[in-house]
Amino acid sequence: NAGVTQTPKFRILKIGQSMTLQCTQDMNHNYMYWYRQDPGMGLKLIYYSVGAGITDKGEVPNGYNVSRSTTEDFPLRLELAAPSQTSVYFCASRGNQPQHFGDGTRLSIL
Amino acid sequence: DQQVKQNSPSLSVQEGRISILNCDYTNSMFDYFLWYKKYPAEGPTFLISISSIKDKNEDGRFTVFLNKSAKHLSLHIVPSQPGDSAVYFCAASTNAGNMLTFGGGTRLMVKP
Repeated sequence: NAGVTQTPKFRILKIGQSMTLQCTQDMNHNYMYWYRQDPGMGLKLIYYSVGAGITDKGEVPNGYNVSRSTTEDFPLRLELAAPSQTSVYFCASRGNQPQHFGDGTRLSIL
Repeated sequence: DQQVKQNSPSLSVQEGRISILNCDYTNSMFDYFLWYKKYPAEGPTFLISISSIKDKNEDGRFTVFLNKSAKHLSLHIVPSQPGDSAVYFCAASTNAGNMLTFGGGTRLMVKP
C-alpha cells in the first residue's frame, strides 16, 4: 500500500546512545515532516523538508538532526539520547493533499 | 504559548447523537484549518479541512464551522457512531497546510 513507512515501531535507548529513525514515502511527495507527540499533548514539528537537499527547523529541533538526500527518505537522527526525548515520533509527507502520516515510532530513553 | 487549543480533553456521546468538538486559536494569520482523527497505535488521518475564506465545510457526517471573529472552529459529527471513537486533533496553518500547528486533542467516546 502507498504511504509513509516508519521504522522501527518501538525502541528503547539508553541515555547518551544515538539512533536514526527511518521514514520512507512512495507517493513522490516533495514535502516531508517530523513531529513528536508527548503524552496528552498535540504534535510538535521538529524538522521539515520541502524537497531533496532542503531541510529546515520546526518548533522543537534541539537534539535532533535530519537529512534529505532523496525524495523518498527523510531520516531523523538523535545523537545523544536524553530522557526528555522519550516520545512518539511521527513522520508525514504532503503533495497536493493534506499531510499524510506514518504510524509512528515509540521511543523510550532510560 | 499555545496557538491552538482544544479545551476539552474528552467527550462522551451516545450513538446516534451529535458530537461537537471545539478548537480555539490565537494567531490571526492562520488561514487554513484541518481536523485529524487518530486511533491508538496509528498515525493521524486527515478528516476534513476549511479555508479561512469559508465559514462551513461539509463532508458526509462531518461538518466543520469556522468563526474568524471569535477565532473558533468546531467539528460536528452527525450521527455519531461507535467507530468514531478516537482522538481528534485540530490543526492550523499560515501557508496552505505546509507547516501545521496542532491542538492537544480531544478524546471522543461514542457509546453504543
